[in-house]
Amino acid sequence: KNEVEQSPQNLTAQEGEFITINCSYSVGISALHWLQQHPGGGIVSLFMLSSGKKKHGRLIATINIQEKHSSLHITASHPRDSAVYICAVPLYGGSQGNLIFGKGTKLSVKP
Amino acid sequence: GAGVSQSPSNKVTEKGKDVELRCDPISGHTALYWYRQSLGQGLEFLIYFQGNSAPDKSGLPSDRFSAERTGGSVSTLTIQRTQQEDSAVYLCASSGGQAYNEQFFGPGTRLTVL
Repeated sequence: KNEVEQSPQNLTAQEGEFITINCSYSVGISALHWLQQHPGGGIVSLFMLSSGKKKHGRLIATINIQEKHSSLHITASHPRDSAVYICAVPLYGGSQGNLIFGKGTKLSVKP
Repeated sequence: GAGVSQSPSNKVTEKGKDVELRCDPISGHTALYWYRQSLGQGLEFLIYFQGNSAPDKSGLPSDRFSAERTGGSVSTLTIQRTQQEDSAVYLCASSGGQAYNEQFFGPGTRLTVL
């Protein structure tokens, strides 16, 4: 079974700062998810990636399959980015099936 | 519909009562997942349906929990004889179609057991 480690657990930043959140996992995969959860809100899928890098607005996700590691970056952070960011991978590896989730990174961006 | 929908959005029940939570996945999605998030805890897997295959029930915490998916679409998660530790947000997700592996999450049902 896969195990997921996410860091940092909590992160406070000033508006405009560059943010990096890290995720590592133990079993080889070909699909990793980054999710966002706002306080009291639902979960939104930000990225699903299997190699290289994806960019959406100020969000960038990278993955290194060989090193079993992914990062989520936020450029020019803004208070509205404050949320919990969660990394998730297939529990049994591969690309499909039920997910195992990291414990999340709670990001707070101060104006 | 445009996304995954769940009902009710909030449910308050008394200990010992049965509850049913509903999930309407995105039309055409063959896979459907139930997860839950207890207060202060991370997300955990409960059950997974894929097409006509037997569901993966390995995440269900006890035999009080069951789920079914009728006609390959709507799913119902049933919790019998609810306990206070069942209080959590129950999330449904679906995947399929062109974005085959990406899971789209519903807004969740917040269950409170008094």
